[in-house]
Amino acid sequence: QLQLQESGPGLVKPSETLSLTCTVSGGSLSSSSYYWGWIRQPPGKGVEWIGTIYYSGNTYYNPSLKSRVTISVDTSKNQFSLNLSSVTAADTAVYYCAGAGPSPYNWFDPWGQGTLVTVSS
Amino acid sequence: QSALTQPASVSGSPGQSITISCTGTSSDVGGYNYVSWYQQKPGKAPKLIIYEVANRPSGVSNRFSGSKSGNTASLTISGLQAEDEADYYCSSYTSSSTLVFGGGTKLTVL
Repeated sequence: QLQLQESGPGLVKPSETLSLTCTVSGGSLSSSSYYWGWIRQPPGKGVEWIGTIYYSGNTYYNPSLKSRVTISVDTSKNQFSLNLSSVTAADTAVYYCAGAGPSPYNWFDPWGQGTLVTVSS
Repeated sequence: QSALTQPASVSGSPGQSITISCTGTSSDVGGYNYVSWYQQKPGKAPKLIIYEVANRPSGVSNRFSGSKSGNTASLTISGLQAEDEADYYCSSYTSSSTLVFGGGTKLTVL
């Protein structure tokens, strides 16, 4: 059974870079059956797609975040990562990683439990 | 890209059926069969309940069903139960090669 777990700092200063890692267990990140994605949810608000990656390194980003986002993959560690640069308070959110199904723009399942990242000085 | 439009809230009594709509355009919901629905309970991650308009993942109750007509997708929950009280989100592929979510709908079981 596939499981995902986010990790990283819970507090980031404005203008700095938010960095999170998602560790995949119960399956191989290199599986050709799956893409892998990041999604975020500001407190009390809706859900926003950040981007998706394939194990080969191909990436697909939300245009509204594309200039600040980098998603990468480390197949040797069965992990994929999110970097979001030049953060502001508007980037405060629960960040989720998820399996993204057989295409980069379809469904997400399963999801990690999420990690709250607060942007504050 | 604009978020898909969902009603902010819907409610129903146990045993009833309710429907949550998700309205987009011909560039997203209306143009592709890549609409998904998620259930989110307080403090938990969203859970996939419908994918590709009308397909249920293994383990999801058959009380949940999805459909689409034109630019509007719909999630129907039949035989409403107290445990169905949650937030529900739709998502869709778009012609700009992106993924967009709806604003979410809070379901209250009376």
